[in-house]
Amino acid sequence: SAVISQKPSRDICQRGTSLTIQCQVDSQVTMMFWYRQQPGQSLTLIATANQGSEATYESGFVIDKFPISRPNLTFSTLTVSNMSPEDSSIYLCSVYPIGREEKLFFGSGTQLSVL
Amino acid sequence: QKEVEQNSGPLSVPEGAIASLNCTYSDRGSQSFFWYRQYSGKSPELIMFIYSNGDKEDGRFTAQLNKASQYVSLLIRDSQPSDSATYLCAVLKSSQGAQKLVFGQGTRLTINP
Repeated sequence: SAVISQKPSRDICQRGTSLTIQCQVDSQVTMMFWYRQQPGQSLTLIATANQGSEATYESGFVIDKFPISRPNLTFSTLTVSNMSPEDSSIYLCSVYPIGREEKLFFGSGTQLSVL
Repeated sequence: QKEVEQNSGPLSVPEGAIASLNCTYSDRGSQSFFWYRQYSGKSPELIMFIYSNGDKEDGRFTAQLNKASQYVSLLIRDSQPSDSATYLCAVLKSSQGAQKLVFGQGTRLTINP
């Protein structure tokens, strides 16, 4: 499996501000996925990040609110922009490690609270 | 209809008994199915995957798949208190030329000593 590091692990932010979450993988991967898990809920895919191209967003998520960067095959960032209390969630980075296609592995997550 | 449905529980099982977790999915074309375990405050961890009809066993865990009924289950034998967690069923879906994992809402399992 891959080692997936996320930063920060948690943060408390003020309404209207933005937070950038970093995801670093210890091996090169083609696709990186960003999920959101709202309190007491399951995981919802926000977007898929491919290196060298724009991220693909799921229905209900837009680039202006959740801009994503993917500068190389081991790193991605997700920004939560103009935050509101409804953005309070756990944000998870995930990848398919090389040789373990279809088996999704998750980073440790970022617990975000918006006041 | 949700794409992946699970009973949210909570499901309480005495220690040493068999815990049975169920999941149904709506896309008849789905081919790959996964069970994740998520402890409180932690990220999901893959514990089982199954692609073919029938049973797949790994230690105390057995995944069962019935594509005709669009039904996946996870059995945990000799349940231990450390098995207490939320179990997420996930189905691989092809959409717009890409594959993505769709999760159920999860079943909260409690093993009582």
